[in-house]
Amino acid sequence: GQQVMQIPQYQHVQEGEDFTTYCNSSTTLSNIQWYKQRPGGHPVFLIQLVKSGEVKKQKRLTFQFGEAKKNSSLHITATQTTDVGTYFCAGHRAGGTSYGKLTFGQGTILTVHP
Amino acid sequence: DGGITQSPKYLFRKEGQNVTLSCEQNLNHDAMYWYRQDPGQGLRLIYYSQIVNDFQKGDIAEGYSVSREKKESFPLTVTSAQKNPTAFYLCASSSVSGQPQHFGDGTRLSIL
Repeated sequence: GQQVMQIPQYQHVQEGEDFTTYCNSSTTLSNIQWYKQRPGGHPVFLIQLVKSGEVKKQKRLTFQFGEAKKNSSLHITATQTTDVGTYFCAGHRAGGTSYGKLTFGQGTILTVHP
Repeated sequence: DGGITQSPKYLFRKEGQNVTLSCEQNLNHDAMYWYRQDPGQGLRLIYYSQIVNDFQKGDIAEGYSVSREKKESFPLTVTSAQKNPTAFYLCASSSVSGQPQHFGDGTRLSIL
């Protein structure tokens, strides 16, 4: 079945440092979504990427979708303590009969030290 | 305010007992989902429903059952066949399949 791998599992940074998490799928994706889950909370949708090679920015966050539509990354510039949480990528497999089934990566837990 | 309501927030199950987790949405979404989250792991899909009166198994459906008799409701039953039910259960919905998902606050289930 489809697998989505995410690295690193944990990342500790000093406030102001940059942070990147990477996501790799075993199959080609029709789209990829990113979510953030604060400690004790529920996942909140951040962004969806659809096109090959797509890059989107949200303030200090930059999201990329690979040319082959099998990998993605999230980069945060100059982290702040409010960035603390777990970041998940999640992908829909291209084609097939399981459309609607979103496969999540294991998540990257980000800790920001003030 | 529109949103997804999960209840209860905390639930305790005795051995051999079935329990039902509630999920209600007033977003007028067609698709609804149930996920299980264990520490250090991502979200694993239990069941999903793309439309009323229809649902499909996810990756870890064994020991669980669902129904989708109304558009706004998608209850999950954790049966006694689920041998390791202790986890955080999240319900989500999206306007249609494939679109971004909105999550409820979750239910934490523990075994007594």
